[in-house]
Amino acid sequence: GAVVSQHPSRVICKSGTSVKIECRSLDFQATTMFWYRQFPKQSLMLMATSNEGSKATYEQGVEKDKFLINHASLTLSTLTVTSAHPEDSSFYICSAGSGGTTGELFFGEGSRLTVL
Amino acid sequence: AQSVTQLGSHVSVSEGALVLLRCNYSSSVPPYLFWYVQYPNQGLQLLLKYTTGATLVKGINGFEAEFKKSETSFHLTKPSAHMSDAAEYFCAVSARGGANSKLTFGKGITLSVRP
Repeated sequence: GAVVSQHPSRVICKSGTSVKIECRSLDFQATTMFWYRQFPKQSLMLMATSNEGSKATYEQGVEKDKFLINHASLTLSTLTVTSAHPEDSSFYICSAGSGGTTGELFFGEGSRLTVL
Repeated sequence: AQSVTQLGSHVSVSEGALVLLRCNYSSSVPPYLFWYVQYPNQGLQLLLKYTTGATLVKGINGFEAEFKKSETSFHLTKPSAHMSDAAEYFCAVSARGGANSKLTFGKGITLSVRP
């Protein structure tokens, strides 16, 4: 089946630094990828929709200058958390659709960011 | 607009007992409905989905769910719980619009299985 891979799975960084998380679709092309954020014991909150070759669409309340999304190819989207602060610590999950009309998405393994 | 309501945050059952996780949805268009399972520090794995056709949907690991339009529900069941079923379960809805449609998730339910 379709596989979506995220890297890194865990990252610890100092406050003020930037961190890049990659999301790759391994065996299919994805024109659209989604980035979610999940706080402990809570649901997934959609942050943005990443569109290949165009600007990402951010959900209300998500700072686009804080969370930079680039979808340069049909198999790769990146999320860069700029000038990270402790409140940015979270579990970030990406997903990608393999096409078709069912609306099914495949999820990455998630990336846990800890900002010290 | 779409939304998902998962009542309660925690369900505990004995091993071998029936599992019932409730999900109600709201959608302005005919919905696609999903159940996902998440193990600690991992991504989401699709258990089952409803798109069209048969309203009783069978998924992996012995789970099934029934789409009831009149009740706007999509409850998840499993006849006999296993210890390995302990995890977080999320119900989700999307509008008919293909694989690029956004998913709206419920807040999730933690399933615990007692020996």
